[in-house]
Amino acid sequence: SQQGEEDPQALSIQEGENATMNCSYKTSINNLQWYRQNSGRGLVHLILIRSNEREKHSGRLRVTLDTSKKSSSLLITASRAADTASYFCGPLTSYGKLTFGQGTILTVHP
Amino acid sequence: DGGITQSPKYLFRKEGQNVTLSCEQNLNHDAMYWYRQDPGQGLRLIYYSQIVNDFQKGDIAEGYSVSREKKESFPLTVTSAQKNPTAFYLCASQGARPGKNIQYFGAGTRLSVL
Repeated sequence: SQQGEEDPQALSIQEGENATMNCSYKTSINNLQWYRQNSGRGLVHLILIRSNEREKHSGRLRVTLDTSKKSSSLLITASRAADTASYFCGPLTSYGKLTFGQGTILTVHP
Repeated sequence: DGGITQSPKYLFRKEGQNVTLSCEQNLNHDAMYWYRQDPGQGLRLIYYSQIVNDFQKGDIAEGYSVSREKKESFPLTVTSAQKNPTAFYLCASQGARPGKNIQYFGAGTRLSVL
């Protein structure tokens, strides 16, 4: 399957530190998207990186994509307690289908 | 949660009962999706529809059924054939902008078995 696999499964840091989450996938993609899920809520889109891009920034978010390694990373800089959530990557196939892994649970301690 | 509305927020099913989860969107999106999420797990695709009056099975369609009679609505029925229905169900819609295909999610329905 095209499922994105996030790593680590859980990450615990202090406020102000940076958080890095990784994603691996199996086949060619059109783009890769990162989503955030607060406990008991739906997913919210954070950032999209196209297959021909290597890096993208949005506020405190930085995403990289290495298509040769079929991997992506999401960096959250200067984390805040409000960043506590689960983060999912979604590789988009050429058929327009997103698939998600188990996610990374990020806990930011005040 | 954008323009996606799921109802109810909580739902209880008795043994042998069919229940229907509602999903409505006002984003004028063609594509809609249903996912199932189990505790501590990722999302698994149940059904999706890319256009009105058409839908496709996802990875775990057994025990579920859908309809897409209107662009705005994509209800999911959890049938009695689904033996382990307890989960968090998420509906999403997706626009057709080239190179984008971002999905917008509802707030979810938590289904439990009595």
